[in-house]
Amino acid sequence: ETGVTQSPTHLIKTRGQQVTLRCSSQSGHNTVSWYQQALGQGPQFIFQYYREEENGRGNFPPRFSGLQFPNYSSELNVNALELDDSALYLCASSFGGSRTGELFFGEGSRLTVL
Amino acid sequence: KQEVTQIPAALSVPEGENLVLNCSFTDSAIYNLQWFRQDPGKGLTSLLLIQSSQREQTSGRLNASLDKSSGRSTLYIAASQPGDSATYLCAESNAGGTSYGKLTFGQGTILTVHP
Repeated sequence: ETGVTQSPTHLIKTRGQQVTLRCSSQSGHNTVSWYQQALGQGPQFIFQYYREEENGRGNFPPRFSGLQFPNYSSELNVNALELDDSALYLCASSFGGSRTGELFFGEGSRLTVL
Repeated sequence: KQEVTQIPAALSVPEGENLVLNCSFTDSAIYNLQWFRQDPGKGLTSLLLIQSSQREQTSGRLNASLDKSSGRSTLYIAASQPGDSATYLCAESNAGGTSYGKLTFGQGTILTVHP
């Protein structure tokens, strides 16, 4: 069974740039959720994708957007990067739509914005 | 707005001790509660998940309990080992509304088990 994989593992951007982070869900899972974890904090929910549509969103501005593909993999896009966007971005996969079952997380993508 | 609080923020114990990590939540319509382990700079590893209809779950040396009426969950670790050193996070999901797929996390308890 393949776990959740994320890429890239680390990246550095400058303010105003755009970034795309990628996630492959665990085998058999059709739902992907994205979380932002600032240093020393718990993860914060960004949004969830199910059947290629956004299915729930946290308190994040529209410059955070995403996609889910037919193979259930997903992308997180962040435009107009700000210094506060520096964080560990975690992807989690699960099975099911509107109900949260057990979530399985990837190792994360560490974004540094200079 | 759901909130999750974890106490203590940090805990240091000698090897072999039994310990309890606490998690409290304000959500009156919890769907499930999940405990995770996070090693420095790494992702989250799921330890235990308790559905709202359950009172506890056990896996090896770990036991998690859930008391919805008081808004509390505890994670009990028996016979702690240095390899248990990590940050432990609890997270709850809401049973309905527009919170589909959203876990609300606490800030974590940093556990250090010294030999």
